[in-house]
Amino acid sequence: DSGVTQTPKHLITATGQRVTLRCSPRSGDLSVYWYQQSLDQGLQFLIQYYNGEERAKGNILERFSAQQFPDLHSELNLSSLELGDSALYFCASSPGMNTEAFFGQGTRLTVV
Amino acid sequence: GEDVEQSLFLSVREGDSSVINCTYTDSSSTYLYWYKQEPGAGLQLLTYIFSNMDMKQDQRLTVLLNKKDKHLSLRIADTQTGDSAIYFCAESKGNTPLVFGKGTRLSVIA
Repeated sequence: DSGVTQTPKHLITATGQRVTLRCSPRSGDLSVYWYQQSLDQGLQFLIQYYNGEERAKGNILERFSAQQFPDLHSELNLSSLELGDSALYFCASSPGMNTEAFFGQGTRLTVV
Repeated sequence: GEDVEQSLFLSVREGDSSVINCTYTDSSSTYLYWYKQEPGAGLQLLTYIFSNMDMKQDQRLTVLLNKKDKHLSLRIADTQTGDSAIYFCAESKGNTPLVFGKGTRLSVIA
């Protein structure tokens, strides 16, 4: 157990809908990262927050947004969902900026 | 092009050594990592090496870094069936998030 908790584990939703994925980082970790894992694209970095502020942005679509709250948990919001958004979404946390990252178990999103 | 490249598949016999290779393109990479992903699970950090090191050993795992060739390898001694998983190489420059390869699927044959 990495100490990073993601909910829900599985999510099935229809195209056009909006979902929120939640992540609780390891105790004491200030950085949170979101990654998308799909079969054809591998692990793609989406966005990073550090102590409540956005620090880095990767291949994140405009339909997606995230935030990190004062208690350091983070949410990833995915809207206007398309079939191609079906993937595993991972959250990871680290104590500082870009040190070793510890991953949660992921949320499997299926868009039908 | 890809920042981090790995071969996609490796098959070894139980008890043999496995060597998983990775190449990266950015010479300013500071930290290099190996993660393991078992079916249906998240990524587990196995080990990491700083770019000023050549080798790191941790029980059955040995990481070798050839900075000149930008080549990283992970050797698993006495490979067991429980080592069957996808192994990801990742790099970071210290001020950037981790960039992952596409993973090498290791199959261990009993």
